[in-house]
Amino acid sequence: QVQLVQSGSELKKPGSTVKVSCKASGYTFTSHSLNWVRQAPGQGLQWMGWINTDTGSPAYAQGFTGRFVFSLDTSVSTTYLQISGLKAEDTAVYYCARGGGNFDLWGRGALVTVSS
Amino acid sequence: YVLTQPPSVSVAPAETARITCGGNNIGSKSVHWYQQRPGQAPVLVISYNSDRPSGIPERFSGSNFGNTATLTISRVEAGDEADYYCQVWDTDTSHYFFGTGTKVTVL
Repeated sequence: QVQLVQSGSELKKPGSTVKVSCKASGYTFTSHSLNWVRQAPGQGLQWMGWINTDTGSPAYAQGFTGRFVFSLDTSVSTTYLQISGLKAEDTAVYYCARGGGNFDLWGRGALVTVSS
Repeated sequence: YVLTQPPSVSVAPAETARITCGGNNIGSKSVHWYQQRPGQAPVLVISYNSDRPSGIPERFSGSNFGNTATLTISRVEAGDEADYYCQVWDTDTSHYFFGTGTKVTVL
């Protein structure tokens, strides 16, 4: 079955670090780039950037540089989003989505809540 | 690159809903549309302006000319109630942009 399975919800304190995973199955992992999309509570979709699953090269959207890191482990067909120095405004659902044109496959999302 | 959508569209069952996505010369770009039901991940409903992915009903169609792209939902059903987002790739900034989103309410 073609799918992206994301890790579960996280509750983190301000200033800490979180790592969200996205495991692909049912297709050739290195044939499609993977994107990260943020959705804050009650808000719209915001593209964070993407990672080339063949080369491992990431590209970050404006506003998502510095504290945000995309990485890969091709041996387990998984991409990761790490956010350091968490702030309250990072509270959101983080989606991974497959695609280099349209986003034809999405994970269910991982809720990250930042609260003291 | 700013993509502007109406915040909400209300439509009666069996009628037609039209959701616009405005952007500077958007007609020169490829536009994709996503449906997001409450509590769920987005789903691609129209790609490359007017292509329907497998499994998407024929009731969903798209067009893109000039400064406006349009998603049209014909014979609206209760299950179409959702938020809809347009998306483009901007070659100048190498950046994807999503529209502001439109909530479709079925009366």
